[in-house]
Amino acid sequence: AQRVTQPEKLLSVFKGAPVELKCNYSYSGSPELFWYVQYSRQRLQLLLRHISRESIKGFTADLNKGETSFHLKKPFAQEEDSAMYYCALRHGSSNTGKLIFGQGTTLQVKP
Amino acid sequence: SAVISQKPSRDICQRGTSLTIQCQVDSQVTMMFWYRQQPGQSLTLIATANQGSEATYESGFVIDKFPISRPNLTFSTLTVSNMSPEDSSIYLCSVVRGHTTSEQYFGPGTRLTVT
Repeated sequence: AQRVTQPEKLLSVFKGAPVELKCNYSYSGSPELFWYVQYSRQRLQLLLRHISRESIKGFTADLNKGETSFHLKKPFAQEEDSAMYYCALRHGSSNTGKLIFGQGTTLQVKP
Repeated sequence: SAVISQKPSRDICQRGTSLTIQCQVDSQVTMMFWYRQQPGQSLTLIATANQGSEATYESGFVIDKFPISRPNLTFSTLTVSNMSPEDSSIYLCSVVRGHTTSEQYFGPGTRLTVT
């Protein structure tokens, strides 16, 4: 079955510390992986997708098919990074467009 | 990007009643979806709203409980029927513009409380 697992509900770090939000997936085909972010009182928005292989707001994520993981990393956390982060999966070759979301991790960056 | 609005933004309803949520997009989109986010939980896809035909429901969701309409390429409604307190959730509309593998945009959500 398709599944996305984010093992941490809350991750609390100090400003300037490295951050890693974990995401593991279960999928037999070729998935597309995404990270979505929801800042306080804002709507859910795309942060990055694995096929773009880009860095957004200092965040990067590498798809590791061997470990079925797509962890989100940032070397130096900023207070404005405090938000809810969701990892999501979409069938790579499907035309359905459907997303499967993980449970979400709240990132709290303390001053 | 896509500008998505939802009405109402929130509502408090009595059990046994129904509520219709509207989703309006500023321009034509390829796909529209409805998600539910129960308190403390992640987003779960309810259905894909198909223009001019019946919606495609995910396992655990049925048309009688969540009737959906999509009369054109920019508008959809989700009705939560015969509500119970378990239906208290945030309901989100999302859209894909262009190819189905394009970015998915989300509306602001409708916060529903059933008493």
